[in-house]
Amino acid sequence: SAVISQKPSRDICQRGTSLTIQCQVDSQVTMMFWYRQQPGQSLTLIATANQGSEATYESGFVIDKFPISRPNLTFSTLTVSNMSPEDSSIYLCSSTGRAKETQYFGPGTRLLVL
Amino acid sequence: QKEVEQDPGPLSVPEGAIVSLNCTYSNSAFQYFMWYRQYSRKGPELLMYTYSSGNKEDGRFTAQVDKSSKYISLFIRDSQPSDSATYLCAMSLRGLSGGYNKLIFGAGTRLAVHP
Repeated sequence: SAVISQKPSRDICQRGTSLTIQCQVDSQVTMMFWYRQQPGQSLTLIATANQGSEATYESGFVIDKFPISRPNLTFSTLTVSNMSPEDSSIYLCSSTGRAKETQYFGPGTRLLVL
Repeated sequence: QKEVEQDPGPLSVPEGAIVSLNCTYSNSAFQYFMWYRQYSRKGPELLMYTYSSGNKEDGRFTAQVDKSSKYISLFIRDSQPSDSATYLCAMSLRGLSGGYNKLIFGAGTRLAVHP
């Protein structure tokens, strides 16, 4: 399985600011994904990031709020822009595994917006 | 109605018990079924992955899929305190031409195994 790391592991931010979360995979992968997990809730897909193309966003998520970069096959970033307390959540990145139907997850970034 | 329903628990059992975790789904097009385990303050960890109806066993874990009833289960035998975590079911459709399947997650069931 892929080993995925994320930075930062946690952060406390002021409303109106932006935070960029980094995701690194230990092998080349075609697809990477960004999820949000609000307290006590399940995972909600924000967007899918393919290398060399624009990210595909799910309903309710827009590029201006959550811009994503995918500069190569092992790395992606998610920016949470103009943050409000409602953005307080855990943000997780994942990639497909050897079986493309499965996904492997990073440890998550815990974000608190004051 | 949610596409995937999962009882959030919490479920509390004594050490050594057999645990049964379940999900139901409404979309008969789902073909791939997964169980993830998520410890507190960690990312989800893939436990089991199945495609067809029937049982799949891996150590103390058995995943069961009943496509006719749109019902999946995860059984944990001889449960241990280290099994205390949130268990998430996830499922996806058959792959698109690009091979990507969007995962739909259940709400997760919190399990506590006490000594």
